[in-house]
Amino acid sequence: AQTVTQSQPEMSVQEAETVTLSCTYDTSESDYYLFWYKQPPSRQMILVIRQEAYKQQNATENRFSVNFQKAAKSFSLKISDSQLGDAAMYFCAVNNNNDMRFGAGTRLTVKP
Amino acid sequence: DTGVSQNPRHKITKRGQNVTFRCDPISEHNRLYWYRQTLGQGPEFLTYFQNEAQLEKSRLLSDRFSAERPKGSFSTLEIQRTEQGDSAMYLCASSQFQGYEQYFGPGTRLTVT
Repeated sequence: AQTVTQSQPEMSVQEAETVTLSCTYDTSESDYYLFWYKQPPSRQMILVIRQEAYKQQNATENRFSVNFQKAAKSFSLKISDSQLGDAAMYFCAVNNNNDMRFGAGTRLTVKP
Repeated sequence: DTGVSQNPRHKITKRGQNVTFRCDPISEHNRLYWYRQTLGQGPEFLTYFQNEAQLEKSRLLSDRFSAERPKGSFSTLEIQRTEQGDSAMYLCASSQFQGYEQYFGPGTRLTVT
């Protein structure tokens, strides 16, 4: 079974600065996909970024980038130039053959 | 907007009653998923469909839970004889291909009193 661990229940960042959210996972599969989702308060889950495990190059999506370390089973999310709208719960997830497992989430606060 | 929709958004029911939720996925997506999310936790997988076939069910899905996806379009999730422990947000998601990102609906928040 796959497991996902997000060791930071809460994080805060000053507006315009950079923050990194941690995620580690465990899977016995060699082919899988990794995701970061954002869930603003009382709003639906939104995909932030996606990484295929077979790709060595780290995914980037505008201000969001990941540091994917396959051997260490680590998948951290870096948010650059943080904005007030980035405040939300962030969930890391690993998906293999439709068995999508999520971490418990990290609540990100952005200070103006 | 042709995203994933769910109805109702909120449901309050008394213990022992049956409830049914509906999910309408993105039209070209053939995979549909149900999750349960409790406060402070990430979504937990319940079941998924490929077209009309229910291909996997979590151990979390007790005999009181049943899901259908007739004709491979919308899906329903029914909970019979609700218990207070069933109180949660029930999320639906859809995707086009295996392994691709899943698009989530707004969820149905169930409160069992």
